[in-house]
Amino acid sequence: DADVTQTPRNRITKTGKRIMLECSQTKGHDRMYWYRQDPGLGLRLIYYSFDVKDINKGEISDGYSVSRQAQAKFSLSLESAIPNQTALYFCATSDGVRPQHFGDGTRLSIL
Amino acid sequence: GDSVTQMEGPVTLSEEAFLTINCTYTATGYPSLFWYVQYPGEGLQLLLKATKADDKGSNKGFEATYRKETTSFHLEKGSVQVSDSAVYFCALSVGTNAGKSTFGDGTTLTVKP
Repeated sequence: DADVTQTPRNRITKTGKRIMLECSQTKGHDRMYWYRQDPGLGLRLIYYSFDVKDINKGEISDGYSVSRQAQAKFSLSLESAIPNQTALYFCATSDGVRPQHFGDGTRLSIL
Repeated sequence: GDSVTQMEGPVTLSEEAFLTINCTYTATGYPSLFWYVQYPGEGLQLLLKATKADDKGSNKGFEATYRKETTSFHLEKGSVQVSDSAVYFCALSVGTNAGKSTFGDGTTLTVKP
């Protein structure tokens, strides 16, 4: 089983819809992150959380929100999706010392 | 702020060729440096890392040396294989308080038989 699981793996939706991407981990890490990947732009940090009660904005948080339901779960929401949010989204976890572990990504297309 | 600059791709090589992917960085503190690899349809996997100046990270025949004087962490492999075709990301992380990484834009490598 994967250490970091993202659901769904693929999603196509329409402009204006509310979307939730979910991430769960079995690594026992306190820290969780959401990134988006766009062609030629690498990975950009959306939100990160150091524990259940700690949520921090990343460099591109506008239009997104997150919820840390438990140590093992970190969800990313798009309240009203727009086409320029079409991207590949990655969840990652860390113990704060060793390198991050990544999920396999969610490919999101907004029409 | 912190930033990572990678050589632009895509890079296409023949099998057994020598690979170099350049990476330079700017950071406010003393970063740890990483190379991640992303195979098609998968997430990023750590390839190698170095945590202080002059450290050499190595894995699967890939190497990179942390050069503080040139703020570089170039990835090299002496003889690439078709299975090395992937996207490679250089990244840095400063301090354990953040733990979050700053990534380069990625370099796509295609190795032809």
